[in-house]
Amino acid sequence: EVQLVESGGGLVQPGRSLRLSCAASGLTFDDYAMHWVRQVPGKGLEWVAGINWNSDNIGYADSVKGRFTISRDNAKNSLYLQMNSLRAEDTALYYCAKGHRSGSSYYYYCALDVWGQGTTVTVSS
Amino acid sequence: EIVLTQSPGTLSLSPGERATLSCRASQSVSSTYLAWYQQKPGQAPRLLIYGASRRATGIPDRFSGSGSGTDFTLTISRLEPEDFAVYYCHQYGSSTFTFGPGTKVDIK
Repeated sequence: EVQLVESGGGLVQPGRSLRLSCAASGLTFDDYAMHWVRQVPGKGLEWVAGINWNSDNIGYADSVKGRFTISRDNAKNSLYLQMNSLRAEDTALYYCAKGHRSGSSYYYYCALDVWGQGTTVTVSS
Repeated sequence: EIVLTQSPGTLSLSPGERATLSCRASQSVSSTYLAWYQQKPGQAPRLLIYGASRRATGIPDRFSGSGSGTDFTLTISRLEPEDFAVYYCHQYGSSTFTFGPGTKVDIK
């Protein structure tokens, strides 16, 4: 069974940094693109960032571009999100999600077929 | 950025009825890269449909997707009690993915 477990969330002051991690198991991790999606409680889903299998192709939402960095370590079956210059509007539940399409594609364009349970980030003074 | 609009915002139906949910894109979605997800309170989203019309693994055949270009539809042929939830459409055909605001299907 494929499992994704996020960690690293917490309470942080505006302007500070936080690094989220996502540990994957039950899959050949480097066969898949990976993504971060966030959700403010009671609101809709917002895609944050995506990365292809070998980190050659990366994309970001305009709202986080220049502040957040997605990365992966295929040897450790792990996905990361480095979040800098955090703002109150970054407060949300952050999900790690797996792309549905396997294979060594340059593109991370895929639906998201497995999701973790999320880690909560709260940005507040 | 492709903006997705979902209608209606809320759909109030009874078990056994048919649900028709709409998703409209501000520009054509490349290669029908359109997905639908179901989300229940306190749970992560669940992929139902990808490629506009392909059911994900384990999804019952009462769920079906259709459409192309800018207009897409998710149909639930006969609502089961466990189908009352929020449904999101999602386009993944451009470098910046976007989700629709969601349609809540609740019990009438």
